[in-house]
Amino acid sequence: DGGITQSPKYLFRKEGQNVTLSCEQNLNHDAMYWYRQDPGQGLRLIYYSQIVNDFQKGDIAEGYSVSREKKESFPLTVTSAQKNPTAFYLCASSMGRNEQFFGPGTRLTVL
Amino acid sequence: GQNIDQPTEMTATEGAIVQINCTYQTSGFNGLFWYQQHAGEAPTFLSYNVLDGLEEKGRFSSFLSRSKGYSYLLLKELQMKDSASYLCAVRDGSISGGYNKLIFGAGTRLAVHP
Repeated sequence: DGGITQSPKYLFRKEGQNVTLSCEQNLNHDAMYWYRQDPGQGLRLIYYSQIVNDFQKGDIAEGYSVSREKKESFPLTVTSAQKNPTAFYLCASSMGRNEQFFGPGTRLTVL
Repeated sequence: GQNIDQPTEMTATEGAIVQINCTYQTSGFNGLFWYQQHAGEAPTFLSYNVLDGLEEKGRFSSFLSRSKGYSYLLLKELQMKDSASYLCAVRDGSISGGYNKLIFGAGTRLAVHP
């Protein structure tokens, strides 16, 4: 079955530590995205990538980094520079400008 | 600026019809999406409108008026499983290069009661 997977589902991190969230898709989509979701707010775009080896900052990229070495994979690193990292993180992919398909999400909690 | 407004919460009765409104202001418009999101899960795509009018898909329909910056999602024959958040998202047409940037509203939490 084609789809998007994210791991882990729940992640706990101590303050000052970097952590990497995984996102893999086998839909053969060119574009991939990372969003952050906080209670009472809409999804906010962190980074996006339209093709392999290329990515762009979204609206809230500070404290985050990404890579796109393979078409299938778009990992997100939450660095210690991110001031308020506790949130629900969603990865998505799309074929061009068609609808975006979302992964199941990773809930990150900073202790 | 860019702004999308939806009601925060709505309640409805099983078997009834409910309309969830979405108003938007964007620098460029190139389509509107509706997603359903159950608590703690991924959003799933429901509908897409780029031209004015009504798009029907089973129990769900979505309407768009570009001149009014307005859309609604209509859910008929409500079922308990329709209890979820409904997200309105506008594609920003001011971005060049074919990039598919979506601006999301905060979502409307719908509770369906027996």
